[in-house]
Amino acid sequence: DAGVIQSPRHEVTEMGQEVTLRCKPISGHNSLFWYRQTMMRGLELLIYFNNNVPIDDSGMPEDRFSAKMPNASFSTLKIQPSEPRDSAVYFCASSLIDSTDTQYFGPGTRLTVL
Amino acid sequence: GNSVTQMEGPVTLSEEAFLTINCTYTATGYPSLFWYVQYPGEGLQLLLKATKADDKGSNKGFEATYRKETTSFHLEKGSVQVSDSAVYFCALSAGSNYKLTFGKGTLLTVNP
Repeated sequence: DAGVIQSPRHEVTEMGQEVTLRCKPISGHNSLFWYRQTMMRGLELLIYFNNNVPIDDSGMPEDRFSAKMPNASFSTLKIQPSEPRDSAVYFCASSLIDSTDTQYFGPGTRLTVL
Repeated sequence: GNSVTQMEGPVTLSEEAFLTINCTYTATGYPSLFWYVQYPGEGLQLLLKATKADDKGSNKGFEATYRKETTSFHLEKGSVQVSDSAVYFCALSAGSNYKLTFGKGTLLTVNP
């Protein structure tokens, strides 16, 4: 069974460019989470969706960040315009919210903004 | 609010040594507790979990017991291997929003 799939695995871009990160959750899961990991701040929850609806985006750093989930099998995190301080590893995770709350993480996208 | 405090690393051990990584938490209600492991260049993987007081989670020789009285969930392994070298994260989930609150992570290096 495929796990959470993220693309690209690595992204190098220049400051000011638009960046789009993609995530395919595990089939049948109804919640999806976007995290950012840096050495300085550790793991930060950016936003999460339940049944494709954004529930809590309080972790989104600023208006340059946006996330969508048009259907149950796909989500995007967009940064426009990108800045060097956005350089980090971005993880997507999915879960099935029933009697358990285990989140399954993708391999991450390492973003470098020059 | 919810928070997780875990011992700061890095932790360096020799193969077959005993491992303890301390984790304490603050939460409203009755959280579920987790240990996740992150191997170099990979995403986080669930290592073990416990959902109520006195539950013991175990996997791959690792164990942790949910101690409500001390609000702790310490990770232990009796004999570590080189392949256990990774970053270990303690986390909790509390309330109806199922958000995970993570500790800062502890880097473990096991030398042969």
